[in-house]
Amino acid sequence: EADIYQTPRYLVIGTGKKITLECSQTMGHDKMYWYQQDPGMELHLIHYSYGVNSTEKGDLSSESTVSRIRTEHFPLTLESARPSHTSQYLCASSSKGGANVLTFGAGSRLTVL
Amino acid sequence: RKEVEQDPGPFNVPEGATVAFNCTYSNSASQSFFWYRQDCRKEPKLLMSVYSSGNEDGRFTAQLNRASQYISLLIRDSKLSDSATYLCVVTNTGTASKLTFGTGTRLQVTL
Repeated sequence: EADIYQTPRYLVIGTGKKITLECSQTMGHDKMYWYQQDPGMELHLIHYSYGVNSTEKGDLSSESTVSRIRTEHFPLTLESARPSHTSQYLCASSSKGGANVLTFGAGSRLTVL
Repeated sequence: RKEVEQDPGPFNVPEGATVAFNCTYSNSASQSFFWYRQDCRKEPKLLMSVYSSGNEDGRFTAQLNRASQYISLLIRDSKLSDSATYLCVVTNTGTASKLTFGTGTRLQVTL
């Protein structure tokens, strides 16, 4: 039973389209993250948030943007999708405190044609 | 040099074998250490945290060597269901909310 939900799970879209990947968690976690992962490669942090109205860029530069208007919701937006954005996007959350244990969503696999 | 390095494998082992993975990290001030498991085309899931004194969970044993800056994962009596990629994860000082993932070590357990 998932406590963190991502939609869509799969998206195939043409170049230039605007897309939003949704991420919601029901655990009341303050911290939320977006990671990007290509097949067989490591996860790269692209955005994170410590709480409402807090967003930070991660280690990997990304043309995407995020917002955190509600604790449970952390959507990621690409204004103009390009083939180089084709990847898997994984949302995660963790609770306040020192544990830093991440719970991941099932991922959104994006293909830009 | 990457912050967290792992041998990508694959490690091909027969059922029942004991297998060990190492992971090295470059930041001596790293604070927290974890092993995650990721099945093919699935999301990573926490396997176990790694404590300074070492810890065990069933067939899995994790150890930390701060002096040499590596952590290890030992799997005893391998099962087919252990086949997955094992990700080493490190949290560094000053970025306590950001975890750095290794590329992962792929394990394939065969009959």
